[in-house]
Amino acid sequence: GQQLNQSPQSMFIQEGEDVSMNCTSSSIFNTWLWYKQDPGEGPVLLIALYKAGELTSNGRLTAQFGITRKDSFLNISASIPSDVGIYFCAGQLWPTDKLIFGTGTRLQVFP
Amino acid sequence: NAGVTQTPKFRILKIGQSMTLQCAQDMNHNYMYWYRQDPGMGLKLIYYSVGAGITDKGEVPNGYNVSRSTTEDFPLRLELAAPSQTSVYFCASHSGSTEAFFGQGTRLTVV
Repeated sequence: GQQLNQSPQSMFIQEGEDVSMNCTSSSIFNTWLWYKQDPGEGPVLLIALYKAGELTSNGRLTAQFGITRKDSFLNISASIPSDVGIYFCAGQLWPTDKLIFGTGTRLQVFP
Repeated sequence: NAGVTQTPKFRILKIGQSMTLQCAQDMNHNYMYWYRQDPGMGLKLIYYSVGAGITDKGEVPNGYNVSRSTTEDFPLRLELAAPSQTSVYFCASHSGSTEAFFGQGTRLTVV
């Protein structure tokens, strides 16, 4: 079946550090989405990417849609304690638009 | 806008009981999904639907059933609840190559 390989699985960093995570697949995607989930809540959209090569920022977050349409990365700059949570990538497969989720990256930020 | 509405928010079931988790969206989305999330884990796809009258199995469909008689509603049925079905259940929807919206989740405990 279609899979999204998300790495790293978890990260433990100090406040102020930059963070990078990525998702790769052997399948082609129309859309890449990055979500954050806080404890006890549903995932919330951070960034949506719709075109190959697209680089989009949302405050301290930057994400890119890979040129091959098979990968994406998310960077968080100058991390703060409220960045703690689980980050999921998700892609909408070409040509069906079916949504596939990555396995998540658990981020812990220490003061 | 209501978005994606899940009910109930919490439920405790006895082994062998049945229940239906409700999911409704008012955005005219054609795609709808049911996921389960075990503690500290990622999202596992149970069932999904690409439109009214069409449903398909995800990774972990055993013990569950769905129906999609309307565009708006996508109920998830547990026929004979088992402790292994203790989890948090999320419903999501999207339309074409657009972001997916999540409900707030249903926390189910089977005792």
